Amino acid sequence: NAGVTQTPKFQVLKTGQSMTLQCAQDMNHNSMYWYRQDPGMGLRLIYYSASEGTTDKGEVPNGYNVSRLNKREFSLRLESAAPSQTSVYFCASSVPDGTRPQHFGDGTRLSIL
Amino acid sequence: QKEVEQNSGPLSVPEGAIASLNCTYSDRGSQSFFWYRQYSGKSPELIMFIYSNGDKEDGRFTAQLNKASQYVSLLIRDSQPSDSATYLCAVTGAGNMLTFGGGTRLMVKP
Repeated sequence: NAGVTQTPKFQVLKTGQSMTLQCAQDMNHNSMYWYRQDPGMGLRLIYYSASEGTTDKGEVPNGYNVSRLNKREFSLRLESAAPSQTSVYFCASSVPDGTRPQHFGDGTRLSIL
Repeated sequence: QKEVEQNSGPLSVPEGAIASLNCTYSDRGSQSFFWYRQYSGKSPELIMFIYSNGDKEDGRFTAQLNKASQYVSLLIRDSQPSDSATYLCAVTGAGNMLTFGGGTRLMVKP
């Protein structure tokens, strides 16, 4: 049982390049989330998808787009990477009622030069 | 603006002692409260969750919630060096969204 799987685990980009971070979960959760974690700042929500077919902005959505491909998969795209987007990105999933915990993937460590 | 505040630490305790980690939150409508442990370079993993005022115990861990004071804490009894990590407090408010605190770094010294 893999839980939440993120790919890639590490990536280095040049400013202006684009890339897509992939996330898949096998727990049959309706809700999925993308966070970024910067030193000393905890996790900040970028985008979330409460259910298949819906996506909404979180706290820090600028510079990102998302796609909820199906119930299992939720991708995060950086169209034109900037050094300020250097961070660790976590994908998470949960049941949608807010009372259950979110389960996290292992993270993607992204550096933008 | 919703906020969840934690002392960044480090909180240093000797092995075998009780570690007390604290968290305050600003949204009075918050309903669910979670503690995650995060080892360096790893993803957050759930330690405990609590919904009602009072204490909830699970092994060496006790979560305490006081909604009137907007305060949630995590006690770790018989602290072990393996408990050394960053502990993240997370709170669910309107829209069922989680807001995370910045985390408290705990160091348990042998």
